[in-house]
Amino acid sequence: EIVLTQSPDFQSVTPKDKVTITCRASQNIGYDLHWYQQKPDQSPKLLIKWTSQSFSGVPSRFSGSGSGTDFTLTINGLEPEDAATYFCHQSHSGWTFGQGTKVEIK
Amino acid sequence: QVQLQESGPGLVKPSETLSLTCTVSGDSIINYYWGWIRQPPGRALEWVAYTSHTGITGYNTSLRSRVTISLDTSKNQFSLQLTSVTAADTAVYYCARRDTTSAVDPWGRGTLVTVSP
Repeated sequence: EIVLTQSPDFQSVTPKDKVTITCRASQNIGYDLHWYQQKPDQSPKLLIKWTSQSFSGVPSRFSGSGSGTDFTLTINGLEPEDAATYFCHQSHSGWTFGQGTKVEIK
Repeated sequence: QVQLQESGPGLVKPSETLSLTCTVSGDSIINYYWGWIRQPPGRALEWVAYTSHTGITGYNTSLRSRVTISLDTSKNQFSLQLTSVTAADTAVYYCARRDTTSAVDPWGRGTLVTVSP
C-alpha cells in the first residue's frame, strides 16, 4: 500500500500569507496525486488533479506541483474562507489519502 | 450537474452487515468508476472500494475480505456491503465518482454510520 505523509499537520496563518503543504509518497507515483479541501461538516472538494491541474471553479491562488514522491499544494494569498483541512490523494495504485493538514486563520 | 446521495441505516450492531446505497443523478453509472470512502470522526479519509461497469474493481486491502461493492444500472445506483462490523467501522461514509484523471469528483454529502449495540 502506498502511504502518503503530509506536513505540517496543522498551520495557523494570517490572511494574505502564502501557505505551503507538502505530501510525500512512500513510492514513485508519477503525477497521480490530487488535492482536496474539506470544511467542517462538509464533504471534500477537489482542488487540484493530476498534481497541477486546477479543477473548474477553483480560485487561481491554489496551485500544485511535484512529481514522483514529493508534491506541494500552495495557497498564494490566503483568504479567510480557505480555513479548512487539506488532503492529498494518490490514484497510482488503488487509492490512499494523506492524514490531512488543518489550516487555521489567526 | 452530477449529484450523489448516500442512503442506509445510521446505526448497525456489532457483527452485523453495514449496507449503503448511492443514488446517482446527472450521469449514468455505466460511465466512469464509482466508489466508497469513509472518514472516522475527526480522522483522515480512508478508501473502501471502487468499481466500474466493465467489472474492474479495487479494494482497500485491509477491508477486502469484508467488502462487496456492486452496481445496479437499472436504478443508476451502486451499493456497499461491509460484513462483521465493529466499532472501528464507525465513520461517515461517502460515495463518489472517479473522473477521467482518477481524481474523485463529485462526492456525496456523506452519511454517518455508527456501530453500537
